[in-house]
Amino acid sequence: SAVISQKPSRDICQRGTSLTIQCQVDSQVTMMFWYRQQPGQSLTLIATANQGSEATYESGFVIDKFPISRPNLTFSTLTVSNMSPEDSSIYLCSAQGDGGTEAFFGQGTRLTVV
Amino acid sequence: DAKTTQPPSMDCAEGRAANLPCNHSTISGNEYVYWYRQIHSQGPQYIIHGLKNNETNEMASLIITEDRKSSTLILPHATLRDTAVYYCIVRVLDTGNQFYFGTGTSLTVIP
Repeated sequence: SAVISQKPSRDICQRGTSLTIQCQVDSQVTMMFWYRQQPGQSLTLIATANQGSEATYESGFVIDKFPISRPNLTFSTLTVSNMSPEDSSIYLCSAQGDGGTEAFFGQGTRLTVV
Repeated sequence: DAKTTQPPSMDCAEGRAANLPCNHSTISGNEYVYWYRQIHSQGPQYIIHGLKNNETNEMASLIITEDRKSSTLILPHATLRDTAVYYCIVRVLDTGNQFYFGTGTSLTVIP
């Protein structure tokens, strides 16, 4: 299994600003993913963070709004850009090891935009 | 995209078995059935997965029908700590294949 740490755990941000969320895994993993969970809703996949190349975004999500980095096999960042109150959500990082048997999740970053 | 249907909510008495159903009538031959749960304010937690045979681990049992169009997650002796949202997901087991979450079942274990 893998242990995933996210920073910050929560933040309150002003609209129009950007926040970068960090995700650190305690072991090398093949794949990393970012999800959004809006209040009272299920998880929605934002993108796959590819190591050494541009992230692959799901329909409805764009790089300008959610730039993602993955510089190595244990670390990724998600930036929420030009925030509005509609971006208030929990953002979760996920990782898979070789074989893709299961995914592990961080505890999430609770973002409130005011 | 989510390919499963689950009841939105269920209650279960503490100490009794919790049986959570999931319909996945369009499941493909190479897709596995996965179950995750999300306790309030935490990230999702893996429970179990299976292809066609019934599976059991220390947390739960997974019963998959012979035609694989539905399955049931069984928590044999539910405790208050099992109160959570339970997600049933179908997915091809392969590196890089994403997990797409549906709406899940909110299970409340009642004292």
